Amino acid sequence: AQKVTQAQTEISVVEKEDVTLDCVYETRDTTYYLFWYKQPPSGELVFLIRRNSFDEQNEISGRYSWNFQKSTSSFNFTITASQVVDSAVYFCALSGQGGSEKLVFGKGTKLTVNP
Amino acid sequence: DVKVTQSSRYLVKRTGEKVFLECVQDMDHENMFWYRQDPGLGLRLIYFSYDVKMKEKGDIPEGYSVSREKKERFSLILESASTNQTSMYLCASGAGLAETYEQYFGPGTRLTVT
Repeated sequence: AQKVTQAQTEISVVEKEDVTLDCVYETRDTTYYLFWYKQPPSGELVFLIRRNSFDEQNEISGRYSWNFQKSTSSFNFTITASQVVDSAVYFCALSGQGGSEKLVFGKGTKLTVNP
Repeated sequence: DVKVTQSSRYLVKRTGEKVFLECVQDMDHENMFWYRQDPGLGLRLIYFSYDVKMKEKGDIPEGYSVSREKKERFSLILESASTNQTSMYLCASGAGLAETYEQYFGPGTRLTVT
């Protein structure tokens, strides 16, 4: 069965600190997709990134970076020089079994960035 | 830009009422989803639909039903609302393309059942 574990329930940092959000997944599929979504206080989930299982290159987008390691079944998300606007709940998700469009979500990590 | 809209941001209903939550997407997406979000539990899939009039149960379908009469609209129905259905409900749509799987979410409906 598919499973996504975000072990960090809440993280609190001070502005400008770097912070890494952990995501560990379980799947028997050889082809799968991993996602990160951001949910700001307004409530709407915002897509951040998609990574397929054949592409282990790390990705950087501005202050955001993602480290995908199949060997450890992890897809971690790092925010460099955090800002107050980064405060949100972040969800990691995995595409459904057999390539289904159903996503399996982790329970989320609440990040608070204090000024 | 993809837009997914939900009929209400906040809703208060009484136990036993029939409740309709509406979701509309404007990108001609094949797939639509209903999730509920509860503290400490993340997002859990209630139902999804991959075509008009087609539906499939998610992980927690009990107490809910859905309707998809038109491609752009996906309704979640609580036949007889109960207090344990107090939650945030999120609708999403997706293109159904193998290379994307990306889902676009609406703003959510916070439902309180008293």
